[in-house]
Amino acid sequence: QSALTQPRSVSGSLGQSVTISCTGVSSDGGSYKYVSWYQQHPGRAPKLIIYDVNQWPSGVPDRFSGSQSGSTAYLTISGLQAEDEADYYCFSYVSTWVFGGGTKVAVV
Amino acid sequence: EVNLMESGGGLVKPGGSLRVSCAASGFTFSAAWMTWVRQAPGKGLEWVGRIKDKNEGWSTEYAAAVQGRFIISRDDSQNTLYLQMDSLTAADTAVYYCATWKSGSADNWGRGTLVTVSS
Repeated sequence: QSALTQPRSVSGSLGQSVTISCTGVSSDGGSYKYVSWYQQHPGRAPKLIIYDVNQWPSGVPDRFSGSQSGSTAYLTISGLQAEDEADYYCFSYVSTWVFGGGTKVAVV
Repeated sequence: EVNLMESGGGLVKPGGSLRVSCAASGFTFSAAWMTWVRQAPGKGLEWVGRIKDKNEGWSTEYAAAVQGRFIISRDDSQNTLYLQMDSLTAADTAVYYCATWKSGSADNWGRGTLVTVSS
C-alpha cells in the first residue's frame, strides 16, 4: 500500500478531459513542490510528463497539466487522444521518495 | 541526446547477489544525480534509491525495502552507474530502471533490465 493514493482507473472519450488524483503529497515544507507524473505504455519504460507539480519537460504537449490543492495533486489530460491510453504514476517525497499505485487511463 | 542502457540482469537464486549497471551517454554524467526504480511483473513503480554527484559527496539514500541490502555506486570516469544487490529474495524480482534525477523527479529513463530471483 503506497503512501500516495491514486484511483485504479479512469476513462474518457476521445477529445474529453480526464483528471487523476494523487492523495497524500506534502502540502508544506521544502518538499511540497516535488510532485511529478509519469506515463507508461505496456512494455515500455516510464516517461516523465510533469515535474515540480506543474512544469513540463521538453517535448511534452501542454494537453498534460499538473496542479495541487492541499495534500492532493492532480494530473489533467485535456483533448484525450488514443495514444494517451496508458498507466500514469505520481511521485513525491513523503518521508521518503514514493510512487503512487498507478492509474490506468482508458480511452473509450 | 541522453542515453541510458542497463545491463547485468538475469536469474539469481534466493539469497544470492547481483550487480546491474547503467551506461550513460549524451550528458555530463559526473554532474548528474542518478536514481534506480524497479517494477515487479504486473505491478507498479517502486523507487529504489538515489546517488548524488561528487559535489554532494556522492551521498546515497535508499527505500526501506532495500536499505542494508542494496548499494548504489558510480564510476564517473566510465560514465556508469551501478546497483549492487545482496540477500536477494523473490520480492526483488523486477525490471530495474536507471534514470537521471532532476528536481525531485526521474527525468530520463533507460529501458530496464530484468532481474529474476528464483530457485
